[in-house]
Amino acid sequence: GNSVTQMEGPVTLSEEAFLTINCTYTATGYPSLFWYVQYPGEGLQLLLKATKADDKGSNKGFEATYRKETTSFHLEKGSVQVSDSAVYFCARIMKTSYDKVIFGPGTSLSVIP
Amino acid sequence: ETGVTQTPRHLVMGMTNKKSLKCEQHLGHNAMYWYKQSAKKPLELMFVYSLEERVENNSVPSRFSPECPNSSHLFLHLHTLQPEDSALYLCASSQAGGGERDIQYFGAGTRLSVL
Repeated sequence: GNSVTQMEGPVTLSEEAFLTINCTYTATGYPSLFWYVQYPGEGLQLLLKATKADDKGSNKGFEATYRKETTSFHLEKGSVQVSDSAVYFCARIMKTSYDKVIFGPGTSLSVIP
Repeated sequence: ETGVTQTPRHLVMGMTNKKSLKCEQHLGHNAMYWYKQSAKKPLELMFVYSLEERVENNSVPSRFSPECPNSSHLFLHLHTLQPEDSALYLCASSQAGGGERDIQYFGAGTRLSVL
C-alpha cells in the first residue's frame, strides 16, 4: 500500500521536555519523506524533509532520520517550547503523473509552560 | 504579496447558496491543489491541477466544482452544500517538474460553515 501512519495525539508536554512523534510509512522503493507543521489558524508548512535512506532532515531544532530498515521517519526535538504547539503531519511522496503527497493523520502537540 | 493567498478566510453559507473560494499563488508554481480538512479526519485531497489541466478528482461530489483559469489562480465553486461539508478548505501549490517539486506550499485556508 501507500500510506503514512503516525502516533495518535494529542500530545501534551511541559516546556523543555523531549519530543518524539513516531511515523511509519508503506511504499515500494524509497520515496522522499517530510514533516509538515500547521500552527493554529494557518495552513501547513514544510518543517523538514529527507530524500534518501539515512538522510537526516533538520530545522528549528527538530530532526528526523530516514530509516529504511524500519520504514520510519520519527520526529524529535530535544527541548520543546510553547511556540511549538501545533499539529504535525508526516508525509511521503507517491509518484504519479504529478508528485502526489500522502499525508498522515496529524499529531496535535500542546506545550505548556 | 507573497506565497499562497486564500479568500475569504471565513465563510458561512446556507445550503441553497452559491459561493466561490479563491486561491492565488505568487510563487511561479504550475501545480495547484484543493484539500479538505475536517476535525478528527485526515487531510483529504480533492482536486489537482498541473499545467492548468485537472489531473486528479478524488470522487468529490459534483456540488464542488473547481476552476483553474491560469497557473496562478484556483477557484472552488460551491452550490447546494450539506452541513457535513463544513470544514477548512486548504489550497496549495507546487512546482511540477522543478528541483523542489515535491514541496507543497499552503494557504491559510477558508473556514466554511454550512447551515
